[in-house]
Amino acid sequence: NAGVTQTPKFRVLKTGQSMTLLCAQDMNHEYMYWYRQDPGMGLRLIHYSVGEGTTAKGEVPDGYNVSRLKKQNFLLGLESAAPSQTSVYFCASSYLQVAVDTQYFGPGTRLTVL
Amino acid sequence: RKEVEQDPGPFNVPEGATVAFNCTYSNSASQSFFWYRQDCRKEPKLLMSVYSSGNEDGRFTAQLNRASQYISLLIRDSKLSDSATYLCVVNMRNDYKLSFGAGTTVTVRA
Repeated sequence: NAGVTQTPKFRVLKTGQSMTLLCAQDMNHEYMYWYRQDPGMGLRLIHYSVGEGTTAKGEVPDGYNVSRLKKQNFLLGLESAAPSQTSVYFCASSYLQVAVDTQYFGPGTRLTVL
Repeated sequence: RKEVEQDPGPFNVPEGATVAFNCTYSNSASQSFFWYRQDCRKEPKLLMSVYSSGNEDGRFTAQLNRASQYISLLIRDSKLSDSATYLCVVNMRNDYKLSFGAGTTVTVRA
């Protein structure tokens, strides 16, 4: 039981390049989330999904797109990377809504945009 | 104003000491409260939920004060392994969104 995994762990991009971050969970969770964490700030929600085939915007969605084609996978895309997107990205999942259930986080992806 | 505010610390304490810190939240309609722990360059992990009546989990005690809109975490008999950043997390509505504080760093020294 691997829990929540993220690919890749590290990445360096040049401004304007695109990439996709992959999150996978093997806990049969309905809810999945993408956050970014910047120094001195709390985790901020980018996008989330309440089930296979659904996605919704969080508080900082601009410049990102997501897809949830399979229940166990949640993909985060950067269409045209900018230095402001340099951050640590965490994926998380939960079985129920966050008010009543623990969120399980992946190990993070450290992204640098030059 | 930030939705969730924490003293960033660091709180440097010797082994065996007691350390306590607070977190304030801005929305009086907040429903659920949690403390998460994050080790350096690692992912956050749930430490404990915070209940209205207060609750303990071993050496950790969490309290909620709705009137003053803050939650607290107290660590007794600190261990070296308690060194981490503690994230205050609040659920503003009874749905998807969690609001995270920036964290309070605790360093326990031998």
